[in-house]
Amino acid sequence: DTAVSQTPKYLVTQMGNDKSIKCEQNLGHDTMYWYKQDSKKFLKIMFSYNNKELIINETVPNRFSPKSPDKAHLNLHINSLELGDSAVYFCASSQDLREGVDTQYFGPGTRLTVL
Amino acid sequence: SQQGEEDPQALSIQEGENATMNCSYKTSINNLQWYRQNSGRGLVHLILIRSNEREKHSGRLRVTLDTSKKSSSLLITASRAADTASYFCATRSKEFYFGSGTKLNVKP
Repeated sequence: DTAVSQTPKYLVTQMGNDKSIKCEQNLGHDTMYWYKQDSKKFLKIMFSYNNKELIINETVPNRFSPKSPDKAHLNLHINSLELGDSAVYFCASSQDLREGVDTQYFGPGTRLTVL
Repeated sequence: SQQGEEDPQALSIQEGENATMNCSYKTSINNLQWYRQNSGRGLVHLILIRSNEREKHSGRLRVTLDTSKKSSSLLITASRAADTASYFCATRSKEFYFGSGTKLNVKP
């Protein structure tokens, strides 16, 4: 009965490769997010989706593209991976973006290592 | 620049002592949330305080918010070894901003 799940948990790949990270939530939430946590533990929002529409898009490279087949899934596709992409990526969801129902539920994270 | 910044970066205390962590932010907010992250895990929501609230309690947690100083504090009373984790504040204006967290170590 995992609320927010991500796969894979670990991902090791070579520079230049394309990879995807999957995320699913079974909470019935309308909003999902992707965060990047760097080696200094800063957690930075990358994207959020509300009812399948991208509503926040931070200044991330366009090599990163979120894809949401339905409101329970928000996958992250990364093209032409670079060394600096190495980090832990967290998926999260919230009931909505409206204040008061924006408590976030996080997945366990995907540790991406680019060699 | 980051919106939420926690202080101290690391805190080590004995079991039974109180732990206080602070968060400062830069712009006006709708609410401020505290999260906990155990090593190798995702973040877990602890408590939310709205911009019109000054103090909130939840079990052994006490959160204060001073919007004039743009700061918040999280107090964990009677700490336990199981409280060892990193604690993050998240501020919400238009978007969510997290800091780099306070790493708390509670020694048994």
